Amino acid sequence: GQQVMQIPQYQHVQEGEDFTTYCNSSTTLSNIQWYKQRPGGHPVFLIQLVKSGEVKKQKRLTFQFGEAKKNSSLHITATQTTDVGTYFCAGPTNTGFQKLVFGTGTRLLVSP
Amino acid sequence: NAGVTQTPKFRVLKTGQSMTLLCAQDMNHEYMYWYRQDPGMGLRLIHYSVGEGTTAKGEVPDGYNVSRLKKQNFLLGLESAAPSQTSVYFCASSYPSNEQFFGPGTRLTVL
Repeated sequence: GQQVMQIPQYQHVQEGEDFTTYCNSSTTLSNIQWYKQRPGGHPVFLIQLVKSGEVKKQKRLTFQFGEAKKNSSLHITATQTTDVGTYFCAGPTNTGFQKLVFGTGTRLLVSP
Repeated sequence: NAGVTQTPKFRVLKTGQSMTLLCAQDMNHEYMYWYRQDPGMGLRLIHYSVGEGTTAKGEVPDGYNVSRLKKQNFLLGLESAAPSQTSVYFCASSYPSNEQFFGPGTRLTVL
């Protein structure tokens, strides 16, 4: 079945260091979404990418959608303690409906 | 607007007991979903609904039933709870935008 994998599973950085998580799908995606889940919280939508090669920025966060629309990345510049949480990518299933397949997530820990 | 709400927030069940989790949204969304989240396994779709009166199976539907009698409510039932159903359950809604809005979650422990 359709799978979405993320690496790394976990990363611990010092505040101010950069962080990147990678998302790889077994199938071509029409779009990809990114969510953030704070510890003890619920997933919150960050962004959606639709076009091949698309790059979007939100302050210190840069999101990229691969040319083949099978992979994506999230890069955080100069991490802060507020960036702590788990980041999930998610892509629609190939059933033509708004179901998402979520990646396994990358848990980010930032030490001050 | 409250967004997506879930009740209860926490619950402990004994094996074999039944319970119903309630999800409510006030955003007039057509689509609603139930996920479970287990450590290291991300979010897995249990059941979903594309509108009032409709339901469909997701990735891990066994042991669960759902109902959507009203557009704003989506109920998840466990008829005979098992320890393997210990998890955090999230409800979400969407449409017309693709973005899914999640509720705060229900932490369920089955002993």
